[in-house]
Amino acid sequence: KAGVTQTPRYLIKTRGQQVTLSCSPISGHRSVSWYQQTPGQGLQFLFEYFSETQRNKGNFPGRFSGRQFSNSRSEMNVSTLELGDSALYLCASSNNGGETQYFGPGTRLLVL
Amino acid sequence: QKEVEQNSGPLSVPEGAIASLNCTYSDRVSQSFFWYRQYSGKSPELIMSIYSNGDKEDGRFTAQLNKASQYVSLLIRDSQPSDSATYLCAVNIDWRGNNRLAFGKGNQVVVIP
Repeated sequence: KAGVTQTPRYLIKTRGQQVTLSCSPISGHRSVSWYQQTPGQGLQFLFEYFSETQRNKGNFPGRFSGRQFSNSRSEMNVSTLELGDSALYLCASSNNGGETQYFGPGTRLLVL
Repeated sequence: QKEVEQNSGPLSVPEGAIASLNCTYSDRVSQSFFWYRQYSGKSPELIMSIYSNGDKEDGRFTAQLNKASQYVSLLIRDSQPSDSATYLCAVNIDWRGNNRLAFGKGNQVVVIP
């Protein structure tokens, strides 16, 4: 099976802009989770979607949002970008909750 | 108390030796535990998942889970230079069985040829 794919791989934005990241899960996987990784905070959970519904949300401000489509593909959006949003954004998919999550290659976002 | 803690600093081991990594977690209801390996500049890749108390072996890797003491460990036997990476302990902290992984800060392992 093909793995999790994420687009774009790299992104440079300026403060105040918004950005949309895309994730395609492993075929057949219905759960998609998003994580932010920074050198200071490590890997932090953003949210999880399952069957187009947000099942879980981490402790991030409302500027971070997401959605999932009927084919399980997911997008996350960050509005009004701040310098601190510079990070590696990782998407992970699994068949269901509690099961192994497989990570995509990530999108590296730089906010200037 | 942090949800998942990996307190050891960088670990240097000679090639062929055993590397031992430990992780503790705070939420007693956690049911799913994972070890991921992350090479510099890459995304995490799964090494092992473990759900029941005891040992689970996969090739040169052995994971140990002790729910009563709330710790998970990973042993890497016959360490190879290709094992040099950061190892992340992850715990699913969603008591409902949905997905919400909490990660430790990671342990950097350096295997010296």
